Amino acid sequence: AQSVAQPEDQVNVAEGNPLTVKCTYSVSGNPYLFWYVQYPNRGLQFLLKYITGDNLVKGSYGFEAEFNKSQTSFHLKKPSALVSDSALYFCAVRDIWGTDKLIFGTGTRLQVFP
Amino acid sequence: SAVISQKPSRDICQRGTSLTIQCQVDSQVTMMFWYRQQPGQSLTLIATANQGSEATYESGFVIDKFPISRPNLTFSTLTVSNLSPEDSSIYLCSVDSENYSYEQYFGPGTRLTVT
Repeated sequence: AQSVAQPEDQVNVAEGNPLTVKCTYSVSGNPYLFWYVQYPNRGLQFLLKYITGDNLVKGSYGFEAEFNKSQTSFHLKKPSALVSDSALYFCAVRDIWGTDKLIFGTGTRLQVFP
Repeated sequence: SAVISQKPSRDICQRGTSLTIQCQVDSQVTMMFWYRQQPGQSLTLIATANQGSEATYESGFVIDKFPISRPNLTFSTLTVSNLSPEDSSIYLCSVDSENYSYEQYFGPGTRLTVT
């Protein structure tokens, strides 16, 4: 079965510092991977995806993610964090080869301190 | 990307009553998805709704508790019936991207509190 794991419940980073939110996946077949962000009292917003091609994918709000097949990881990154980046981040995998469902990780709360 | 709206944005309901949540999309879509996000938890798919057919429910979710309507290609409703405090959650609807590029887009969610 397809799954994603987010090993950190919370990540704390100072404004201006680089941030990384970790995600590992388990899939059969090629992975279709996504990052979403949820701001307080709002729905999920799509940030970026990896389907194929370059291992470094760029998305909204200056975020990027690095796909690493050998480590089965898809970590979300940003070179310089902003206080406004504080939110709940979800990694997800789409089970294209099976149920075609979007399967979410448990989420990581990012707190950026001024 | 599709623009999705949900009504109500939040509600407080008494135990034993029902709440119907509306989801409206600004374009025609084949499938609409309903998710539940319990407090502090991740998203769980409740069901998939296709226009003109009965919704397909995930394990642990039944039609009597979560009836869904899909009268046309831009609208769906989810009813949460016979409410209990355990139903207190955020309920979100979503749709596939227009050109089926694999990502889904989500509505703003409905926050339900059952007292």
